[in-house]
Amino acid sequence: DGGITQSPKYLFRKEGQNVTLSCEQNLNHDAMYWYRQDPGQGLRLIYYSQIVNDFQKGDIAEGYSVSREKKESFPLTVTSAQKNPTAFYLCASRANNYGYTFGSGTRLTVV
Amino acid sequence: AQSVAQPEDQVNVAEGNPLTVKCTYSVSGNPYLFWYVQYPNRGLQFLLKYITGDNLVKGSYGFEAEFNKSQTSFHLKKPSALVSDSALYFCAVRDPYGNNRLAFGKGNQVVVIP
Repeated sequence: DGGITQSPKYLFRKEGQNVTLSCEQNLNHDAMYWYRQDPGQGLRLIYYSQIVNDFQKGDIAEGYSVSREKKESFPLTVTSAQKNPTAFYLCASRANNYGYTFGSGTRLTVV
Repeated sequence: AQSVAQPEDQVNVAEGNPLTVKCTYSVSGNPYLFWYVQYPNRGLQFLLKYITGDNLVKGSYGFEAEFNKSQTSFHLKKPSALVSDSALYFCAVRDPYGNNRLAFGKGNQVVVIP
């Protein structure tokens, strides 16, 4: 089955540590997105990529970094500069009809 | 900028009663509109979309939505709500001026009371 796989499902980060969230898709979609979701809030766009080797900042990019070396993969690194990283992170890819397919999310907690 | 508004934070409905989740949009040009549902600790799941054609769009799990151009609305409806429909619902619109990104509403929590 085609879809998006996010790993790990749960991730714990120590203060001052960088962590990387994985997002892999086998849908052959060009565009991919990273969102942050906080309790009781909507989705906030962190970064997006429309094509391999290209990406743009979203609304809350500070403290995050991404890469897009392969069409299938769009990893997100949460750096130590992100002061409040505890949240639910969602990855998505976009089909030609503009609809998104979402992964199942990674819950990041600072310990 | 393209945007959607979901005016209610929470919708409470008794099981078996009709369910409506409201969404209004603001776009330039023809709107591409979407509804998604999110269950706790899960990603968003696609319910339905309107791109062109009939104003009444049927989607997954018995949901439908009515596109109303004059009222700029795209309300999500279900004739008879189930307890399992309790979830967070997001309306979204394509932003052709923002690299075709989807602009999401803030979401509506639906609580179906047994």
